[in-house]
Amino acid sequence: DAGVIQSPRHEVTEMGQEVTLRCKPISGHDYLFWYRQTMMRGLELLIYFNNNVPIDDSGMPEDRFSAKMPNASFSTLKIQPSEPRDSAVYFCASSSGGGTGGDYGYTFGSGTRLTVV
Amino acid sequence: GDSVTQMEGPVTLSEEAFLTINCTYTATGYPSLFWYVQYPGEGLQLLLKATKADDKGSNKGFEATYRKETTSFHLEKGSVQVSDSAVYFCALVNTGTASKLTFGTGTRLQVTL
Repeated sequence: DAGVIQSPRHEVTEMGQEVTLRCKPISGHDYLFWYRQTMMRGLELLIYFNNNVPIDDSGMPEDRFSAKMPNASFSTLKIQPSEPRDSAVYFCASSSGGGTGGDYGYTFGSGTRLTVV
Repeated sequence: GDSVTQMEGPVTLSEEAFLTINCTYTATGYPSLFWYVQYPGEGLQLLLKATKADDKGSNKGFEATYRKETTSFHLEKGSVQVSDSAVYFCALVNTGTASKLTFGTGTRLQVTL
């Protein structure tokens, strides 16, 4: 398996523009997570899905942020309009969840570095 | 709620030195515990895990033992290398939280020659 695939790797956009980040999870994984990482705030969970259904979006900072998972192999995180304070590295992760013994290890993608100028 | 506390970094060591990165947790029930590593410019990678008390996770020379009595999961390595320079994250998942990992803030390790 190629692992969790995120695109683009880098994105530079102007304030006010719409940004869409993409993620392809590992086949067979039923959980998908979106994280944001900054120096100031560390690693923050934004939202996660189970079987394509959003379970907890309490970490989504504002209404400007939205996430979708139309099928088991694809998810998007959209920021509209973008602001300079959204600059961060955004990670997607997937896991198989559940199971006896608690093997909940995540597999992370390489991240998208977003810069909003 | 669940939480993970890690020692503040950065930790700076000379090559071949002994490493300890402290991690303590607060959780109800019987969490599983993890260490993740993040190399520069990359995502987090699972380093090791332990799913029940007294289990020892190990990988690439790193070890951590699940200590329920002290609610700790300290990461150790007997002899670090320059290539171990990275950020290390302690994490837990509680079986009652639907597979959601709770991460510590991360500890940066810098190994010099």
